[in-house]
Amino acid sequence: EIVLTQSPGTLSLSPGERATLSCRASQSVSSRYLAWYQQKPGQAPRLLIYGASSRATGIPDRFSGSGSGTDFTLTIRRLEPEDFAVYYCQQYGSSQYTFGQGTKLEIK
Amino acid sequence: QVQLVQSGAEVKKPGASVKVSCKASGYTFTSYGISWVRQAPGQGLEWMGWISAYNGNTNYAQKLQGRVTMTTDTSTSTAYMELRSLRSDDTAVYYCARVVVVAATGGWFDPWGQGTLVAVSS
Repeated sequence: EIVLTQSPGTLSLSPGERATLSCRASQSVSSRYLAWYQQKPGQAPRLLIYGASSRATGIPDRFSGSGSGTDFTLTIRRLEPEDFAVYYCQQYGSSQYTFGQGTKLEIK
Repeated sequence: QVQLVQSGAEVKKPGASVKVSCKASGYTFTSYGISWVRQAPGQGLEWMGWISAYNGNTNYAQKLQGRVTMTTDTSTSTAYMELRSLRSDDTAVYYCARVVVVAATGGWFDPWGQGTLVAVSS
């Protein structure tokens, strides 16, 4: 099973700042089959990024994904108040899908 | 619009079974898969498995093999997840999500259902 480790566990930033979230895999994720999801309290997760760098429909362009192999990054260019949430990475390149443990993005 | 609507909350005793439904609308049901993901209180997301609505093929998380069964009813565009031999640590919100299939292994999840709380308590 591919283990995904997200860092940091909590990120404290102010609106307008840039957020960089990391997702590291225990082995290479084939074909960049990695997705990012956002989850707000009491809500279902929402797809942000698929294929490591493709934005989902309706996702603002301040969200971007990059990386390959074992290292992936989600960047939020200028934080808006509605961006403070928990973010999960997920790989779907192996038959046993896995999620990272999540990064909580909180207002400083 | 694409929508997944799940059945209501359940309270079960240890050892019982639960069956959660997920009704899809707004797209061709058999062109995608359905995955199930659960989230224990205050915890992260745990993938449970997925089913192809096209051919009914399933792929379950090894941890849940033997206790979980995923099925679909293409006549009503509804997916089901049954979990047996419930334990207290099965208490969680259970989500269904549409799988956008791009490879033999499956694909990403979009959108998600609203979630169903399953509480296991004696």
